[in-house]
Amino acid sequence: AQSVAQPEDQVNVAEGNPLTVKCTYSVSGNPYLFWYVQYPNRGLQFLLKYITGDNLVKGSYGFEAEFNKSQTSFHLKKPSALVSDSALYFCAVSLLYGNNRLAFGKGNQVVVIP
Amino acid sequence: SAVISQKPSRDICQRGTSLTIQCQVDSQVTMMFWYRQQPGQSLTLIATANQGSEATYESGFVIDKFPISRPNLTFSTLTVSNMSPEDSSIYLCSAGTGEGTDTQYFGPGTRLTVL
Repeated sequence: AQSVAQPEDQVNVAEGNPLTVKCTYSVSGNPYLFWYVQYPNRGLQFLLKYITGDNLVKGSYGFEAEFNKSQTSFHLKKPSALVSDSALYFCAVSLLYGNNRLAFGKGNQVVVIP
Repeated sequence: SAVISQKPSRDICQRGTSLTIQCQVDSQVTMMFWYRQQPGQSLTLIATANQGSEATYESGFVIDKFPISRPNLTFSTLTVSNMSPEDSSIYLCSAGTGEGTDTQYFGPGTRLTVL
């Protein structure tokens, strides 16, 4: 079964420092991987996705993610964190058999400290 | 990208009652999805709704508890029936083409509290 794991519960980072949110995946076949962000009292916003091609994917708000097949990882990164990046981040994998259904990781709370 | 709205944005309900949540997309979409996000938890898929056919429910979710309608390509409803406090969650709808590579776009969610 397709699944993703986000091993950390909370990520604390000082403003201006690099931000990394970790995600590992388990799939049979080619993975389709997604990152979403959820701000308080709001729905999920799409950040980026990996389908195929370049392992470094660039997305919204200055975020990028690196697909690493050998480590089965898809970590989200931002070179310089902003206080406004404080939110809940979800990694997700598309379930290949079943109409684009997504399986989400547990989520990571990111706290950017001024 | 699709813009999705949901009504109501939040509600407080008494146990034993039912609530219907509406989801409206600003363009025609093949698939609509309903998720539940319990407090402090991740998203769990409830069901997939394809226009013109019965919704497909995930393990642990049944039609009697969560009936879904999909009358056209831009609209869907989810009803939470015979509610109990355990149903207190955020309910989110999303929309996509049904292709595995497609991006799903999400509505803002409906925050439900059952007393």
